[in-house]
Amino acid sequence: NAGVTQTPKFQVLKTGQSMTLQCAQDMNHEYMSWYRQDPGMGLRLIHYSVGAGITDQGEVPNGYNVSRSTTEDFPLRLLSAAPSQTSVYFCASSSLLAGVSEQFFGPGTRLTVL
Amino acid sequence: AQSVSQHNHHVILSEAASLELGCNYSYGGTVNLFWYVQYPGQHLQLLLKYFSGDPLVKGIKGFEAEFIKSKFSFNLRKPSVQWSDTAEYFCAVIPFAGKSTFGDGTTLTVKP
Repeated sequence: NAGVTQTPKFQVLKTGQSMTLQCAQDMNHEYMSWYRQDPGMGLRLIHYSVGAGITDQGEVPNGYNVSRSTTEDFPLRLLSAAPSQTSVYFCASSSLLAGVSEQFFGPGTRLTVL
Repeated sequence: AQSVSQHNHHVILSEAASLELGCNYSYGGTVNLFWYVQYPGQHLQLLLKYFSGDPLVKGIKGFEAEFIKSKFSFNLRKPSVQWSDTAEYFCAVIPFAGKSTFGDGTTLTVKP
């Protein structure tokens, strides 16, 4: 049981490049979410999903796309990277048995956009 | 829109001191409430959660929190902190299956 896995751990991009951050969970959780963490600003929700084929925007969705074709995977795509997207990105998953219960977080991806 | 406010950005305590971190939220309906901890260089881990029932909940490592519905508060407490409690603490609220909102975090430094 690997929990929530994220790849890559570190990434450096140039402005305008695109990339996909991968997230996978093996706990059969319905709820998955992406956050960015910036100093002094806590975690801000980018996108979330309550099941395969269902996604919705969070607090800061601009510049990011997601899809949920399977229960296990929830990739985050940066369409055209900007320096403002330099951040640490966390993926999380949770069951929905009693609403969103404990979210299990991945190890994070540290992204730098030059 | 829902929001979460953590009153203390940085708290410095000596070992054995008592801790209370404030968390207030605004939301018109029922929410699940959480406290997470992030140790330096690590990802977030759940300390405790409140869904319903007894408003005083106990979590791991001696932490507890009290939900006061009338005050929209969910404050975190620990009677006696240890150096190993040095970390960043986040309060979070989540409607049933909706958008989660985290507070900005409180950095706790415990001096040995």
